[in-house]
Amino acid sequence: GAGVSQSPSNKVTEKGKDVELRCDPISGHTALYWYRQRLGQGLEFLIYFQGNSAPDKSGLPSDRFSAERTGESVSTLTIQRTQQEDSAVYLCASSLQGSSGNIQYFGAGTRLSVL
Amino acid sequence: QKEVEQDPGPLSVPEGAIVSLNCTYSNSAFQYFMWYRQYSRKGPELLMYTYSSGNKEDGRFTAQVDKSSKYISLFIRDSQPSDSATYLCAMTGGSQGNLIFGKGTKLSVKP
Repeated sequence: GAGVSQSPSNKVTEKGKDVELRCDPISGHTALYWYRQRLGQGLEFLIYFQGNSAPDKSGLPSDRFSAERTGESVSTLTIQRTQQEDSAVYLCASSLQGSSGNIQYFGAGTRLSVL
Repeated sequence: QKEVEQDPGPLSVPEGAIVSLNCTYSNSAFQYFMWYRQYSRKGPELLMYTYSSGNKEDGRFTAQVDKSSKYISLFIRDSQPSDSATYLCAMTGGSQGNLIFGKGTKLSVKP
């Protein structure tokens, strides 16, 4: 596609429910990243997929968070048993392996509100 | 100390002013430096990218990196109301892997 696409754009859920967020990267981009942006804060790294390599999960804040990626395409971020502190904008980015400087292109994000 | 420090502002300037935004960092391994612009309720968009030390200019925007001082800057000349956004610095040590972001500076350019 023309850019990174994320869905849904907004999600309101009740505490304790599970949510799934979807990211469709730019076609041909082998690397995919998930970040979290809390209100008034910078972006916090969550997880990184690169081709067929094992993902870098070092940024996941707890075992309630997990993510999958199918080949070099769509990724889903799952948050189980959501808590109010999970309320944030979840941003996905993709980049082309071998491109100079790891330039990442972002989607518009999913705004998650946990009531 | 956070790896990347950025004054969150907010910063308010009149139209036409020169704007200076900056970040400091602690990790000497960082080599790739970026500035992203984020409009309200939008994703970050890449504005400037610099490798290692030096200056880079693109239209009204100039990015500077001083690795010896671990300090990067973004200058905006002849600022416009459309420049009103949050500016995020980001950096990394390698050509792949996650970026480390500053908190972002919220800029408002008044007509």
